[in-house]
Amino acid sequence: QSALTQPASVSGSPGQSITVSCTGTSSDVGGHNFVSWYQQHPGKAPKVILYDVSNRPSGVSNRFSGSKSGNTASLTISGLQVEDEAEYYCSSYSSSSSLGVFGTGTQVTVL
Amino acid sequence: EVQLLESGGGLVQPGGSLRLSCAASGFTLSTYAMSWVRQAPGKGLEWVSASSGSGGSTYYVDSVKGRFTISRDNSKNTLYLQMNSLRAEDTAIYYCARSRFLEWPDNCFDPWGQGTLVTVSS
Repeated sequence: QSALTQPASVSGSPGQSITVSCTGTSSDVGGHNFVSWYQQHPGKAPKVILYDVSNRPSGVSNRFSGSKSGNTASLTISGLQVEDEAEYYCSSYSSSSSLGVFGTGTQVTVL
Repeated sequence: EVQLLESGGGLVQPGGSLRLSCAASGFTLSTYAMSWVRQAPGKGLEWVSASSGSGGSTYYVDSVKGRFTISRDNSKNTLYLQMNSLRAEDTAIYYCARSRFLEWPDNCFDPWGQGTLVTVSS
């Protein structure tokens, strides 16, 4: 049950687009579409921003989008805004263990 | 409004026990699978355990298997996590979170509670 691999940090200027990657294996990210992304501001509980790879819950900005290729999922934030500065975690179901697994987390900084 | 409220955290000595509670409001707990997720201080998220809506199926990460037990009292709309033989590495904020479905698996946890801090130290 190893954590999914994410870059430790990604940064961008307001208005730019950034992409955060999430690499797993064929048993988790690459094996199905149970991949989600969570945003966590300091001192707050995580909030789901994408599920099933690319679906946005009601109320989440369409500036957040997701995709997947092979064993790597990606989160793209377009039109970066100051309030997007937060920690982002990917998550997947692992069919080999029947358990959930989170990514290592990525700090997104708005320059 | 759909809400989750955890309680039961605190300071406990290594080897001790705690029972966390997660009170659900605004929805019927028995119709959703539920999970516990923890976050050690300054660290990332770690999925800990899940329970099907009925409570008949349960799942645990290897590091807590045999020590932690997830359960629910659907009549009280409350989820529990009984934690025994606690270790220093169990120190974390523990969140409960709702899945979309009655059964596990799922990857969409929404909403989350505010979390309850468990500190294991002598």
